[in-house]
Amino acid sequence: KQEVTQIPAALSVPEGENLVLNCSFTDSAIYNLQWFRQDPGKGLTSLLLIQSSQREQTSGRLNASLDKSSGRSTLYIAASQPGDSATYLCAVTGGGNKLTFGTGTQLKVEL
Amino acid sequence: SAVISQKPSRDICQRGTSLTIQCQVDSQVTMMFWYRQQPGQSLTLIATANQGSEATYESGFVIDKFPISRPNLTFSTLTVSNMSPEDSSIYLCSVREGTGELFFGEGSRLTVL
Repeated sequence: KQEVTQIPAALSVPEGENLVLNCSFTDSAIYNLQWFRQDPGKGLTSLLLIQSSQREQTSGRLNASLDKSSGRSTLYIAASQPGDSATYLCAVTGGGNKLTFGTGTQLKVEL
Repeated sequence: SAVISQKPSRDICQRGTSLTIQCQVDSQVTMMFWYRQQPGQSLTLIATANQGSEATYESGFVIDKFPISRPNLTFSTLTVSNMSPEDSSIYLCSVREGTGELFFGEGSRLTVL
């Protein structure tokens, strides 16, 4: 059974700092990995999708990497802003198109 | 990317009643999903809504409690039946595009008194 863990569970950083969020998964037989952000009480916004054959994806200040063999992904956020404050979730798609979500990292970027 | 609209965005309901949540997508999609997010928890898949056939439910979820309709490739509904306070959650509609990327609606926040 796939298990997805995110560390840290919560993170508070000053504005402008670069930061890394971690996601690990137990079964490396995945089709893709996706990073989302969720604002309180809202739905999920897709940030980046990495296919299993890819090593990284970039969008603006965000860069996501994937090391399938070690079961790890990182989301790098450059020059953090207060508007980046949200919960960040990773999710992996495995066999049978089954999606497994991580536990989430709650990020707070302070002025 | 798909644009997904959900209604209602939030509701407060009485115990024992039922509520139907609607999900409208701006393009035709094959795969449509319903998730539940209980307070402080991550997302749990309720079922996959199949066009023209019965939904496929995950373990722990049954059709009598969560009936789903999927009349066409752009629309689905989820009904939460005979509600109890334990059903208080955010319910999310999701679609998967051809790339494998998953998109979500804004969610329907349900509070059961």
